[in-house]
Amino acid sequence: GESVGLHLPTLSVQEGDNSIINCAYSNSASDYFIWYKQESGKGPQFIIDIRSNMDKRQGQRVTVLLNKTVKHLSLQIAATQPGDSAVYFCAENRRPGANSKLTFGKGITLSVRP
Amino acid sequence: GAGVSQSPRYKVAKRGQDVALRCDPISGHVSLFWYQQALGQGPEFLTYFQNEAQLDKSGLPSDRFFAERPEGSVSTLKIQRTQQEDSAVYLCASRDGRITDTQYFGPGTRLTVL
Repeated sequence: GESVGLHLPTLSVQEGDNSIINCAYSNSASDYFIWYKQESGKGPQFIIDIRSNMDKRQGQRVTVLLNKTVKHLSLQIAATQPGDSAVYFCAENRRPGANSKLTFGKGITLSVRP
Repeated sequence: GAGVSQSPRYKVAKRGQDVALRCDPISGHVSLFWYQQALGQGPEFLTYFQNEAQLDKSGLPSDRFFAERPEGSVSTLKIQRTQQEDSAVYLCASRDGRITDTQYFGPGTRLTVL
């Protein structure tokens, strides 16, 4: 069936390095994509989003890239900090009419080494 | 401003008991979503409200699950005759629905069924 998934379950990076988290999606009808960060015991926290009519969007220390040709989404975090350690989820939002539920991937754990 | 709040944060129930989980969305948000998150997994959609109307309940796992939002603000997710497989974190999210598509999540309620 259709799904949103992540390539790797864990990612370990050195503090100060850049992090890249990848995500594949399979529904070509998806037109809105979101990255969430979830710390232990907390709800998902919005990081950045992108619509299907864009290829790239930048935020504060984060960049999201969308490649619709290969249905690939990535999150880049610049100068990774210990506070970035968390589980990261990509999610897609299909918008046929009023149904706008999010479909999440399984999540990837980012661990930042001091 | 205040974010999405949920109560209780933790709930322990004996198998067969009924539970009620509350969600207070961000003031003025039209859309409200419930998700279920199993340990180590991404959130999975349960149901969606636009104002007081429940527009999608396709994710509710059984007829033991019931959600309501009678006045278009606060929502309650009720689980009757709880089973051990209902143990999970129940997340609520709200969305403006007019200006942005971003869903903002609450901290969740961790339900443990013994």
